[in-house]
Amino acid sequence: KAGVTQTPRYLIKTRGQQVTLSCSPISGHRSVSWYQQTPGQGLQFLFEYFSETQRNKGNFPGRFSGRQFSNSRSEMNVSTLELGDSALYLCASSLYGESADTQYFGPGTRLTVL
Amino acid sequence: GQNIDQPTEMTATEGAIVQINCTYQTSGFNGLFWYQQHAGEAPTFLSYNVLDGLEEKGRFSSFLSRSKGYSYLLLKELQMKDSASYLCAVWNRDDKIIFGKGTRLHILP
Repeated sequence: KAGVTQTPRYLIKTRGQQVTLSCSPISGHRSVSWYQQTPGQGLQFLFEYFSETQRNKGNFPGRFSGRQFSNSRSEMNVSTLELGDSALYLCASSLYGESADTQYFGPGTRLTVL
Repeated sequence: GQNIDQPTEMTATEGAIVQINCTYQTSGFNGLFWYQQHAGEAPTFLSYNVLDGLEEKGRFSSFLSRSKGYSYLLLKELQMKDSASYLCAVWNRDDKIIFGKGTRLHILP
């Protein structure tokens, strides 16, 4: 079974631009969560989607948004990029997004904002 | 607030045993996870504890005490490939996973 895939793997943008990241979950998984990982803050939860609905959201500004498609693939968008948005963005999929489900992480997208 | 504390770095010797502690203060508790993350790679699942006690899985064991807000990950017979960051994470009552900042484990030959 193929793992979680994320595209692109690396991205360089400048301040003020916007970016869209993509995540394809493991086949059959319906929950996709997004995380931001930085050396200073560690892994921080952005949001979780299940059956095309945002079910949960972390404490990030409205510039961070996402969506999920009917095939469970998910996209994350960051508008008006800031230097502090430079980070590794990870997505993770699980069957139903319940507490006992194992989350499987993708390799991440490394975003650099200049 | 939500807070998960774990040591920033630890060093141990190949073949030895190491215990990585994690204390948490979160809004509710639905389970605790441990993940391993090698440099430049994605986190991979190690263990999940929801009830008090010790869960053993090969060389790795994880312990939980809900009353103390405390968990540890025990790694036995350390190998060089165990050099990685170990992340403690709690699933709180709002169905959010809160991660600690991770413990970077260095294994010396």
